[in-house]
Amino acid sequence: EVQLLESGGGLEQPGRSLRLSCAASGFSFSTYALIWVRQAPGKGLEWVSAISGSGGSTYYPDSVKGRFTISRDNSKNTLYLQMNGLRADDTALYYCAKGNSFYYGPGSHTLDYWGQGTLVTVSS
Amino acid sequence: QSVLTQPPSVSAAPGQKVTISCSGSSSNIGNTYVSWYQQLPGTAPKLLIHDNNKRPSGIPDRFSGSKSGTSATLGITGLQTGDEADYYCVTWDSSLSAVVFGGGTKLTVL
Repeated sequence: EVQLLESGGGLEQPGRSLRLSCAASGFSFSTYALIWVRQAPGKGLEWVSAISGSGGSTYYPDSVKGRFTISRDNSKNTLYLQMNGLRADDTALYYCAKGNSFYYGPGSHTLDYWGQGTLVTVSS
Repeated sequence: QSVLTQPPSVSAAPGQKVTISCSGSSSNIGNTYVSWYQQLPGTAPKLLIHDNNKRPSGIPDRFSGSKSGTSATLGITGLQTGDEADYYCVTWDSSLSAVVFGGGTKLTVL
């Protein structure tokens, strides 16, 4: 059974940093891309970042590029999201999700399993 | 403002059928496949349909997907109160080089 368990969320002040983790099990970890998606309170879903199975390719939308860094440790079956320069509009529930292919992108953008999310609140 | 346009809400009675539309453009829906996700209240999204019309194992055939040109549609037949959820369409946008989500549609089963 595929399981994704996020952790590391919490309350942080604007401008500070936070690192999220996602522990995975139940599948061949290094074979699949992994993705972070967030959902602001009462709002829709927004893609935050993605990383290929090897970790050699990473992808970000403009909204977080230069502030967030996605990485993975295939020896620990764990995905990370380093969030720097936090802003109030980063407040959201952050989900990690598994892609259905080694790479994430056109033709391979299905998210077939999701974790339950970790809440990040940015406020002074 | 979402790149993909969905109706904010739809409703129907138990046992009836409902469709949820997702409108995009040639750089997204018109260029690649669409997935649909169901988010029950207080839970994580769940894959419902992938590759326009394929159901993952365990998803009942009451759920169906289709795509035509730059639009996609999710259909749900035999509505149950347990189907009340938010539904999202998702695809890749080649102009943005990003995965894009619809704004979500809240389904109410009256």
